[in-house]
Amino acid sequence: GAVVSQHPSWVICKSGTSVKIECRSLDFQATTMFWYRQFPKQSLMLMATSNEGSKATYEQGVEKDKFLINHASLTLSTLTVTSAHPEDSSFYICSARSPTVSYEQYFGPGTRLTVT
Amino acid sequence: GDSVTQMEGPVTLSEEAFLTINCTYTATGYPSLFWYVQYPGEGLQLLLKATKADDKGSNKGFEATYRKETTSFHLEKGSVQVSDSAVYFCALSDGAQKLVFGQGTRLTINP
Repeated sequence: GAVVSQHPSWVICKSGTSVKIECRSLDFQATTMFWYRQFPKQSLMLMATSNEGSKATYEQGVEKDKFLINHASLTLSTLTVTSAHPEDSSFYICSARSPTVSYEQYFGPGTRLTVT
Repeated sequence: GDSVTQMEGPVTLSEEAFLTINCTYTATGYPSLFWYVQYPGEGLQLLLKATKADDKGSNKGFEATYRKETTSFHLEKGSVQVSDSAVYFCALSDGAQKLVFGQGTRLTINP
């Protein structure tokens, strides 16, 4: 149980285009999901907290107009990287908060974004 | 703000060797502490956790003890296997229940 999927697993796009990444909780409902960014050989950095039916809460330094987050249902959150640039190339990981244990999160496998 | 520091890798050991991966933290409150493991091509999985001082988390032969006096949560295993090869992340959960991660330690076990 407690499986989180991400789609796509990897994507290549050109500068200036937008890319959408989906995060789904497959066998449970997630009122809260999180989006992380991971640079090579570095830690996961929390970008934003996504709550179903309300606006996402962004961490300091994260541009909310560039990284659009939508959590329209209890099983789906999306991250859209708008007007992507090469510096946005990274590994993006989502997680969903456990419905039973508030401090536990279940992680997706990640999406590798490369902007050319 | 809260932070986690873990030993840099990569770490390479032979099968059946003893493993220690050091982790220390800085936090203003009383965080919960975690070790996550990421196997190749998979998402992070919770390995073990401890929610208060002196608690010991354990799973799959791994152990870590929440040491408030040294602000540490070192990961240990007495005899590693090839299947333990992965990236290990130490993390804490603050009052807002957000996770703060260390930089990760890549572990390779050779047969």
